[in-house]
Amino acid sequence: DAKTTQPNSMESNEEEPVHLPCNHSTISGTDYIHWYRQLPSQGPEYVIHGLTSNVNNRMASLAIAEDRKSSTLILHRATLRDAAVYYCILRDTQGGSEKLVFGKGMKLTVNP
Amino acid sequence: GAGVSQTPSNKVTEKGKYVELRCDPISGHTALYWYRQSLGQGPEFLIYFQGTGAADDSGLPNDRFFAVRPEGSVSTLKIQRTERGDSAVYLCASSLAGELAIGTDTQYFGPGTRLTVL
Repeated sequence: DAKTTQPNSMESNEEEPVHLPCNHSTISGTDYIHWYRQLPSQGPEYVIHGLTSNVNNRMASLAIAEDRKSSTLILHRATLRDAAVYYCILRDTQGGSEKLVFGKGMKLTVNP
Repeated sequence: GAGVSQTPSNKVTEKGKYVELRCDPISGHTALYWYRQSLGQGPEFLIYFQGTGAADDSGLPNDRFFAVRPEGSVSTLKIQRTERGDSAVYLCASSLAGELAIGTDTQYFGPGTRLTVL
């Protein structure tokens, strides 16, 4: 599976936008970019995914670089509930296993 | 609606004992996954079921670990002769279509079972 690289941690302030970066320089043309997050003492939860075009949903936006070697998860107005570990994951669509390969993720701290 | 549930939420056992961990997936989800998470690490894949069959068991660390899903719904992860290194949070997830969604399926996770081996 192609790997992703994220900062270990980031801090943001409540009600401000926050941009969470992810590098995936070895991404293949058939890999989807997925983001999950894990709140304290909970299982991971899905945030968003995309292939080539930028994506928006009620939780966040995903901006994908033109060469697809990096992406950014955008939380438009961070709240205290967004404090979590965020995982950027690549998923192969060409007959690969359905497993999610998590790295260590990036811990987001939201300051009141 | 009801999400993925896991029982027990906590399990404390002694080294060498046998344990079973149960997962109830979301109704109608054909795919089921087991992961385990050690402190400070991301979840690590163990096994994936599509229906009743184990489609990928490449993550099971050794033959002490076994999982079943006999009717394509509830799954049980079984660990024999537990060791202290097995202590972790065991997470279960389910998804609607699994491999049929070709890498785009959303996985829904349960709260996990915290296993402590003394």
